[in-house]
Amino acid sequence: SQQGEEDPQALSIQEGENATMNCSYKTSINNLQWYRQNSGRGLVHLILIRSNEREKHSGRLRVTLDTSKKSSSLLITASRAADTASYFCATDVGAPLVFGKGTRLSVIA
Amino acid sequence: GAGVSQSPSNKVTEKGKDVELRCDPISGHTALYWYRQSLGQGLEFLIYFQGNSAPDKSGLPSDRFSAERTGGSVSTLTIQRTQQEDSAVYLCASSLNQQGASYEQYFGPGTRLTVT
Repeated sequence: SQQGEEDPQALSIQEGENATMNCSYKTSINNLQWYRQNSGRGLVHLILIRSNEREKHSGRLRVTLDTSKKSSSLLITASRAADTASYFCATDVGAPLVFGKGTRLSVIA
Repeated sequence: GAGVSQSPSNKVTEKGKDVELRCDPISGHTALYWYRQSLGQGLEFLIYFQGNSAPDKSGLPSDRFSAERTGGSVSTLTIQRTQQEDSAVYLCASSLNQQGASYEQYFGPGTRLTVT
């Protein structure tokens, strides 16, 4: 079974709205990372949050980590059409990273 | 600087043929990973190289799959006697891993393999 699982599987919002994606995992982690994938090709690293951190920001991205609930969320504020992509969480339990199945985000202009 | 590169970008092969996929990681990155992604699915881990250590082959789906990393840099993933279920995008990534912790991975654009 997957170590990290994203929820929802798919999300459709209007441009300007906020998008929230969640990731749940099963075992203790060193860190948790979020990646974006456009058009089924290479993934791009967005943000890394360590197990002793609770919240991290990067531009319009906000990531939270709750190790007691073994969950993380990715918030994209003021979404744009260019944010349309698949978003994956990846957990570090010792290399290699374990990726979830992703959330497919569609931002409608 | 240059990112991770992969070649070819697309490969169409007949069932039963062997294929070689190449990955050129970011210079200085000690860790190199291969993943497979079927259409609309998540990433399936295949194999992981870390420095001079023996590779972690735990994700290879069958003995038709093998990989090597020469000189701690370029890696080649070989699939022998390809099957239609091998059709997927094969992604390579590299990272600076230190002291057992995983750092962010940098991905190549992938090789789309189609087995007819």
